[in-house]
Amino acid sequence: EDKVVQSPLSLVVHEGDTVTLNCSYEVTNFRSLLWYKQEKKAPTFLFMLTSSGIEMKSGRLSSILDKKELFSILNITATQTGDSAIYLCAVETGGTSYGKLTFGQGTILTVHP
Amino acid sequence: GAGVSQSPSNKVTEKGKDVELRCDPISGHTALYWYRQSLGQGLEFLIYFQGNSAPDKSGLPSDRFSAERTGGSVSTLTIQRTQQEDSAVYLCASSLRRGIGEKLFFGSGTQLSVL
Repeated sequence: EDKVVQSPLSLVVHEGDTVTLNCSYEVTNFRSLLWYKQEKKAPTFLFMLTSSGIEMKSGRLSSILDKKELFSILNITATQTGDSAIYLCAVETGGTSYGKLTFGQGTILTVHP
Repeated sequence: GAGVSQSPSNKVTEKGKDVELRCDPISGHTALYWYRQSLGQGLEFLIYFQGNSAPDKSGLPSDRFSAERTGGSVSTLTIQRTQQEDSAVYLCASSLRRGIGEKLFFGSGTQLSVL
């Protein structure tokens, strides 16, 4: 059974802090790993990673994948209150389950002023 | 449409009743997914459609759950004889085709409460 595990489950920081969110996975037929941000109900796409060691960056957010150790991290620098959300990691698989996304439990990030 | 539309946005029902949840994907999107999110949890895969067919129904929790998609567009998720543990947010997502997770667009979900 495909499995995606995120840590920590929740995190409380103050504005300006840097946070690192973790995602590890055990799946068959790995295709890609994706990060989503969920502020209210609809998750919105952040990054897709397919290759090891290549950092994806968007503003204060960055992410990297390690396909040997089967994990990814999402970094947020100089956090702001608007970064408060649930961050979801998902792995996309191929084979007979082509295109299926398996999600982790999410990390609830709270940024205080 | 402009985005993925789900209805109703909230549904309160009594235990044992049947409910139907509707998803209207983005026009032209052939892949459609249903996920369930319980309070404080991640997204649990239920079923996905490629066109009108459902290659993967492995996530449906029990035979009380069923889904269909007609005309390659609107999908309906039906839960029969609802139980309290069915209470969750049911999210629908669509993409142009399967296998492009970065282009997966989510609806705002249906909050189902079973009393």
